[in-house]
Amino acid sequence: EVQLEKSGGGLVKPGGSLRLSCAISGYNFIAAWMGWVRQAPGKGLEWVGRIKSKADGGAIDYVAPVKGRFTISRDDSKTTLYLQMNSLKIEDTAVYFCTTIGYGDFVADNWGQGALVTVSS
Amino acid sequence: EIVLTQSPGTLSLSPGERAALSCWASQTVGSNFLAWYQQKPGQAPRLLMYGASSRATGIPDRFSGSGSGTEFTLTISRLEPEDFAVYYCQQYDSSPPTFGQGTKVEIK
Repeated sequence: EVQLEKSGGGLVKPGGSLRLSCAISGYNFIAAWMGWVRQAPGKGLEWVGRIKSKADGGAIDYVAPVKGRFTISRDDSKTTLYLQMNSLKIEDTAVYFCTTIGYGDFVADNWGQGALVTVSS
Repeated sequence: EIVLTQSPGTLSLSPGERAALSCWASQTVGSNFLAWYQQKPGQAPRLLMYGASSRATGIPDRFSGSGSGTEFTLTISRLEPEDFAVYYCQQYDSSPPTFGQGTKVEIK
């Protein structure tokens, strides 16, 4: 069974930084494409970005609202996915889900439970 | 950017009834690269369908997807109590990938 265990999250001031981690077990992490999706309180879903496996080139793509501020990375030796968030804005307040990607690029087939990030002064 | 519009916003039905949820795209979604997700309160979403009409692993066959181009439908043939939730469509044909705003299926 695939398990995605998140850590991180919390309250941060505008302009601050935060790092989310997502440890994956029961899955071939090295071959996996991984992603982050967020959901603002009471709102819909929004892709943050995706990282391909190293074997597939390791390309990382972000959506425009976070490009240049957020960084997705992976540590295959720890089967862990990261999301480094810098220059946080109030509108980044959301639950952040880590996902595995299967059945097609940007198709999230397994989801972690989500980490709440609150950006507020 | 492809904008997805889901209708209706809320669907009020009884267990055992059939549900039909629509997803309209502002541009053609090529290769039927459209997915559907289910989300219950306080939970992460769950992938139901991909490629417009293929069920993800473990999804019961009362869920089916259809459509092409700019019009897609998720059908639940007979609603079970656990099917009352919010459903999102998502296109992954062009960048950026985008979600619809969701359809809530509630108990009548």
